[in-house]
Amino acid sequence: ETGVTQTPRHLVMGMTNKKSLKCEQHLGHNAMYWYKQSAKKPLELMFVYNFKEQTENNSVPSRFSPECPNSSHLFLHLHTLQPEDSALYLCASSQRTSGGISTDTQYFGPGTRLTVL
Amino acid sequence: SQQGEEDPQALSIQEGENATMNCSYKTSINNLQWYRQNSGRGLVHLILIRSNEREKHSGRLRVTLDTSKKSSSLLITASRAADTASYFCATQNTGNQFYFGTGTSLTVIP
Repeated sequence: ETGVTQTPRHLVMGMTNKKSLKCEQHLGHNAMYWYKQSAKKPLELMFVYNFKEQTENNSVPSRFSPECPNSSHLFLHLHTLQPEDSALYLCASSQRTSGGISTDTQYFGPGTRLTVL
Repeated sequence: SQQGEEDPQALSIQEGENATMNCSYKTSINNLQWYRQNSGRGLVHLILIRSNEREKHSGRLRVTLDTSKKSSSLLITASRAADTASYFCATQNTGNQFYFGTGTSLTVIP
C-alpha cells in the first residue's frame, strides 16, 4: 500500500446525480492532486492543493469541484457529469520542498473507476 | 504539449529478456520519473533522475537521461512475468508541474 486511500473504488452514476470522491493520505505530505486517466490518453492533472490552497486548476469544467479541508483529505465533488467523464480518477500526494530544485515523488491511491450513464 | 511520450506503446517479451522503453519530452525539466501501473490500480514510483544526472540504477532498473535530446530510457533487465504492467514517464519542470505520458504497456510472457 502507498499510504493513499480512495473511496469508493467503483462508482456508477447518472448524469443528474451528485456524488463525491474521497482521498486520504497518511504520509504527512503537504500537497495533494487529482488526476483523470482515460484510455489511450496521458494522465491529465486536474487540481493541485499545496498546504490546503488550490494552486492549479487545469481548465477543468465546473461540474468537478474540489475540496481540501486539511492537508490529509481531498474530495472531488461531482454533479451533472457527462458520459465522456467516465474514467479512472486518481488521487496523489507528495511532499513539496520549498526553494531549490524540486524532486517531488508522487504517491498514488488505487483510483476510483467512474462510469457515467 | 509538454507531455512526455513513451515509445513503444506496447511491448511483449519472453521472461528473462530485457525490456527497453523510451520517453521523449519537450521542455526543460528539473527531473524525470518513471512510474509503473498494474491494471486498474494507481501508479507506483520506480525511480527519479535529476536533470544533472545521466544514468541511475535501482535493482534491475536502469534509467538514462539525455537532456540535449530531451529523452530518457528505462531498461528492465532479466524480466519476470510480475513486471507485466504499464510504465509511464513523468517530467517535473521548473514550475513544479508534472506531465505524464501515455505509457508503454509491457507484457512479459512466462
